[in-house]
Amino acid sequence: GENVEQHPSTLSVQEGDSAVIKCTYSDSASNYFPWYKQELGKRPQLIIDIRSNVGEKKDQRIAVTLNKTAKHFSLHITETQPEDSAVYFCAAGAGKSTFGDGTTLTVKP
Amino acid sequence: GAVVSQHPSRVICKSGTSVKIECRSLDFQATTMFWYRQFPKKSLMLMATSNEGSKATYEQGVEKDKFLINHASLTLSTLTVTSAHPEDSSFYICSAEQGGTEAFFGQGTRLTVV
Repeated sequence: GENVEQHPSTLSVQEGDSAVIKCTYSDSASNYFPWYKQELGKRPQLIIDIRSNVGEKKDQRIAVTLNKTAKHFSLHITETQPEDSAVYFCAAGAGKSTFGDGTTLTVKP
Repeated sequence: GAVVSQHPSRVICKSGTSVKIECRSLDFQATTMFWYRQFPKKSLMLMATSNEGSKATYEQGVEKDKFLINHASLTLSTLTVTSAHPEDSSFYICSAEQGGTEAFFGQGTRLTVV
């Protein structure tokens, strides 16, 4: 089955700095890669996703890059704000998703 | 986006009793729903795939007799935790996909077994 690894497990940045979270996956057949933000006790919220026919996607301060050959994808958050603090999960697959272990992002004001 | 509603959001039950959690797609039909379990500060682990009108498909290591799943209509899937014990305490969350694109998550259910 699919295996998704996510790094780092914790990330602390100063407000205004950029944050990068990286994930690798094992199943070359996977073609959909969402990123979720989850606040304590809440449901995961989709923040951006990318399909395998695209190498990069951007939405305001958030971007995702995908390298299908290397089977890795990354989340980039620029100009971080304290409200970006949360746990971020990468995943492979739509619906039946395999999740990474999560990254706890802390943005210090 | 599509809306998935999960109920209850919190439940406390006594050891040995059963608890039913509902997952509803409010504005679309979901032939397939998914049930996840999340331990504190951990990732979401897929428990089973719920298929409308047929038996659920369970992931390895998940006891199907312990976690009963019923998907009787295109908008409702239920997860029943039978004979619950304290180790079943967890955050349970469902999702439904629409058209093979993004998955929409329910609010989650915090189960505490005392």
